[in-house]
Amino acid sequence: DAMVIQNPRYQVTQFGKPVTLSCSQTLNHNVMYWYQQKSSQAPKLLFHYYDKDFNNEADTPDNFQSRRPNTSFCFLDIRSPGLGDAAMYLCATSRDSRASVGFQTQYFGPGTRLLVL
Amino acid sequence: GIQVEQSPPDLILQEGANSTLRCNFSDSVNNLQWFHQNPWGQLINLFYIPSGTKQNGRLSATTVATERYSLLYISSSQTTDSGVYFCAVGQGAQKLVFGQGTRLTINP
Repeated sequence: DAMVIQNPRYQVTQFGKPVTLSCSQTLNHNVMYWYQQKSSQAPKLLFHYYDKDFNNEADTPDNFQSRRPNTSFCFLDIRSPGLGDAAMYLCATSRDSRASVGFQTQYFGPGTRLLVL
Repeated sequence: GIQVEQSPPDLILQEGANSTLRCNFSDSVNNLQWFHQNPWGQLINLFYIPSGTKQNGRLSATTVATERYSLLYISSSQTTDSGVYFCAVGQGAQKLVFGQGTRLTINP
């Protein structure tokens, strides 16, 4: 089945130690998103790629970066994780967010829960 | 930016009951999705419904775009319906803004 895959499901890192979270998709969608969800809060968009075009949200900390080497894969890099970065990180895709009705539907992966010690 | 409010914040029901969850938004949108977040954290896509009415089994949704609200109906609730239900809206391209969610608990 076509899907959005995130690895690992759980990630433990140390304070200040760089960590990379992975997302892949078999949907062949143009757009990939990274959301951060802290406990008992709503998901919050960090950034997204429209094809290779990177779009950062204004309030996303510089500590967070992303790479999209090809259509299928997208990575979230946290350069120096702090305790406040512990959260669920959700990857999503959409077929073409600029196109007509239905193509904007976002599909989410299972998430990676990050713990910072 | 656009504001999204969901009500009620918490809802506790017995198995078999029906429920209505509401989502109000502050501006016109061209994307509205309802999600169910399961206990493991995954967001399951329920409906893409920027306007109109859709049904899928025991679930249905209605969005009245001119009045800026959407409703999610769950009939004959089951314990597996428990979790957090999110409404998310988008304007123009790309960004989804989520409401704070409704936590639904279905007791056996």
